[in-house]
Amino acid sequence: NAGVMQNPRHLVRRRGQEARLRCSPMKGHSHVYWYRQLPEEGLKFMVYLQKENIIDESGMPKERFSAEFPKEGPSILRIQQVVRGDSAAYFCASSPRGQGSEQYFGPGTRLTVT
Amino acid sequence: GQQVMQIPQYQHVQEGEDFTTYCNSSTTLSNIQWYKQRPGGHPVFLIQLVKSGEVKKQKRLTFQFGEAKKNSSLHITATQTTDVGTYFCVANAGGTSYGKLTFGQGTILTVHP
Repeated sequence: NAGVMQNPRHLVRRRGQEARLRCSPMKGHSHVYWYRQLPEEGLKFMVYLQKENIIDESGMPKERFSAEFPKEGPSILRIQQVVRGDSAAYFCASSPRGQGSEQYFGPGTRLTVT
Repeated sequence: GQQVMQIPQYQHVQEGEDFTTYCNSSTTLSNIQWYKQRPGGHPVFLIQLVKSGEVKKQKRLTFQFGEAKKNSSLHITATQTTDVGTYFCVANAGGTSYGKLTFGQGTILTVHP
């Protein structure tokens, strides 16, 4: 059973470009979470999605950031007009149940904005 | 909003010494989870505690959940170099939080051989 897949693993973007991060949850998992991690810091919750629905986006910046989890295909975290402060590791996690059940993390996407 | 404080932020030990990290929440929790993240890696689920006063063991690791369900600890006996990494407690307030988890800042453990 493959784990959570994320791609790309490393992404370099220039300021002003768009970054698109993909996450395929574990088979049978319909709950997806996105987190951001700055060097030597904890993980900051961004958004919680269940198939085709955004359940909680309280951690998402109001502008430039969006997320989706379509009926078919991976979950996408989109960052428009990236700035240097967006440089971080972005982790996706999935769980078989919501309600705070254990989460399984992908390897992360390291975004660097130059 | 919910706050989770984890201490210490850093811990350096000699191989064979014990290690403990503590987690305190400002609110009563539905459950608490612990994760480990190796340097350069991703968080890996270790355990979930649900009941008041619960104690669980995994080999050299002992996890406790406080009676008031507001604090927790992770204790490692006789550390090994493979224990190196960051240990996060993760709080779930439950209720209307729809499964949103709040990560503590983490304790970075260094084990010197």
